[in-house]
Amino acid sequence: NAGVTQTPKFQVLKTGQSMTLQCAQDMNHEYMSWYRQDPGMGLRLIHYSVGAGITDQGEVPNGYNVSRSTTEDFPLRLLSAAPSQTSVYFCASSYRVKGELFFGEGSRLTVL
Amino acid sequence: KNEVEQSPQNLTAQEGEFITINCSYSVGISALHWLQQHPGGGIVSLFMLSSGKKKHGRLIATINIQEKHSSLHITASHPRDSAVYICAVDRGGSNYKLTFGKGTLLTVNP
Repeated sequence: NAGVTQTPKFQVLKTGQSMTLQCAQDMNHEYMSWYRQDPGMGLRLIHYSVGAGITDQGEVPNGYNVSRSTTEDFPLRLLSAAPSQTSVYFCASSYRVKGELFFGEGSRLTVL
Repeated sequence: KNEVEQSPQNLTAQEGEFITINCSYSVGISALHWLQQHPGGGIVSLFMLSSGKKKHGRLIATINIQEKHSSLHITASHPRDSAVYICAVDRGGSNYKLTFGKGTLLTVNP
């Protein structure tokens, strides 16, 4: 099993550009989520999904979209990047909604 | 006040020392997670617990639900234990959102 795979690991964008961070897991996990991690702050939930076709907002959803068309994939879309979205992004999954979390390696995004 | 507070924020120890990291929370929870993040690295789940105590190798996690407090202990610390340790709480019910502490940076010197 590859676990949770995030791509790309690094990305530089200009303000206003759009992009998609990919997240895939091969563990048949029900729950998937996206977090951002900023200096001096704890991890903050952006969006989450409790199964294919079901998504919901977390603490900081503005400027991000998600979809969950399959159990395996949970992409995070930045519609129009802003410097405030410069951060490290982590995708995580768990077998059941309230289970142990498995994290991807993170994606460092810089918006100029 | 944050719902999840960790202490200390930074901790420096000598190899072999016994380490304790604390997590206090102000809300009712159904479970608490301890995570480890090495510098520049990914995040690994260490424990998920809802009562009592769990042990894995040199790591021990305890939780006191009544006092709203959890501790992570590291026995015989080693430089490879140097990392940020993060506490997160699950408020239970239909709330699928974890609340995270800001982390404790542990440095273990040889």
